[in-house]
Amino acid sequence: GNSVTQMEGPVTLSEEAFLTINCTYTATGYPSLFWYVQYPGEGLQLLLKATKADDKGSNKGFEATYRKETTSFHLEKGSVQVSDSAVYFCALRPLGGGTSYGKLTFGQGTILTVHP
Amino acid sequence: DTEVTQTPKHLVMGMTNKKSLKCEQHMGHRAMYWYKQKAKKPPELMFVYSYEKLSINESVPSRFSPECPNSSLLNLHLHALQPEDSALYLCASSHPRLGREQYFGPGTRLTVT
Repeated sequence: GNSVTQMEGPVTLSEEAFLTINCTYTATGYPSLFWYVQYPGEGLQLLLKATKADDKGSNKGFEATYRKETTSFHLEKGSVQVSDSAVYFCALRPLGGGTSYGKLTFGQGTILTVHP
Repeated sequence: DTEVTQTPKHLVMGMTNKKSLKCEQHMGHRAMYWYKQKAKKPPELMFVYSYEKLSINESVPSRFSPECPNSSLLNLHLHALQPEDSALYLCASSHPRLGREQYFGPGTRLTVT
């Protein structure tokens, strides 16, 4: 079956530090990959996505590259801010339909706290 | 506009009550989803509607009853819930063919007493 593994948190950084949150996946074929962010008390927001190998998704200074050879989709940001404090979820959606249609498989989430 | 709205924001209900959660989107998406999220956990899929028809039910107890009256609305009817059903209930939508991302609403925080 499909699975997503994220680095365990919590991750605590100082403002302007470099961020990496590791994400690896197991799936057949070429799934679409996503990073979602959840701020306290809110729903999930789509942060970025990639739909094929070597695609780079980017948004708000965050980047992630779809690496088929290492089955990874690591999230990076060069300089984090206090406002980036949130829970980050890596997710995949399998290609095609059938019983897996519409299903997102999420990682366990990584709590990020950024201090001033 | 990528907005999914949910009402109410908070709901407290007793185990004998009947209540409903509402979700609305105007992005022309024809796939809509209900998720349940416990604290510090990822969302768990409950139901998927595709073109207003139920396509996935993840073995959810019958005390949760989904309804999709039209392509913009999704309801979740609640009856005889248990305290362990207390959670954040998230609605999401997506275009079933173009792109694969799901857009989530802010959620309804449900407390069952």
